Amino acid sequence: DAKTTQPNSMESNEEEPVHLPCNHSTISGTDYIHWYRQLPSQGPEYVIHGLTSNVNNRMASLAIAEDRKSSTLILHRATLRDAAVYYCILRGSAGSYQLTFGKGTKLSVIP
Amino acid sequence: NAGVTQTPKFRILKIGQSMTLQCTQDMNHNYMYWYRQDPGMGLKLIYYSVGAGITDKGEVPNGYNVSRSTTEDFPLRLELAAPSQTSVYFCASSYSEAFFGQGTRLTVV
Repeated sequence: DAKTTQPNSMESNEEEPVHLPCNHSTISGTDYIHWYRQLPSQGPEYVIHGLTSNVNNRMASLAIAEDRKSSTLILHRATLRDAAVYYCILRGSAGSYQLTFGKGTKLSVIP
Repeated sequence: NAGVTQTPKFRILKIGQSMTLQCTQDMNHNYMYWYRQDPGMGLKLIYYSVGAGITDKGEVPNGYNVSRSTTEDFPLRLELAAPSQTSVYFCASSYSEAFFGQGTRLTVV
């Protein structure tokens, strides 16, 4: 399986933007880049995913490097509720079963 | 829309007892998963299923069994519970993005 590398932890001030990086140098052409987050004492929740183009939704934006070997999850205005562990995951084509979690990045938001 | 429902939410088992963790989804997803998460750690895949009647082992299948007789249900069976199985168990279903249940916190004493 293609692997991802994320920093163990990051801090952000409340109401400031947060850029969470992910390296995936062995990504294949059909791998989608998925992001999930896990709030304390909850199950993971889907954040966003993309293939080649940058993506936006109500929760976040996903910026994908042109060579697709890295990506960045952008939270435009961090709130205390965004404090969570963020996982970057590579997944095969839309119908692929693969869903393997790494260690993720623990985001702390400072009031 | 219920999504993914897990029962029970909490359970205490004695060593050697057995139990079934229930998981049901109402989104007609083919793919379903069972994970365990030990304190302070990431999620580890126990078993997964790509459709009714089809299951396969993940990273940590020992001590567990699964079945998938319907699209909706994917129960996880623990036989002869051991303290090492104390963990939080998450069930998920997906086609593209995955949806997770709220988890079952299991303690084996």
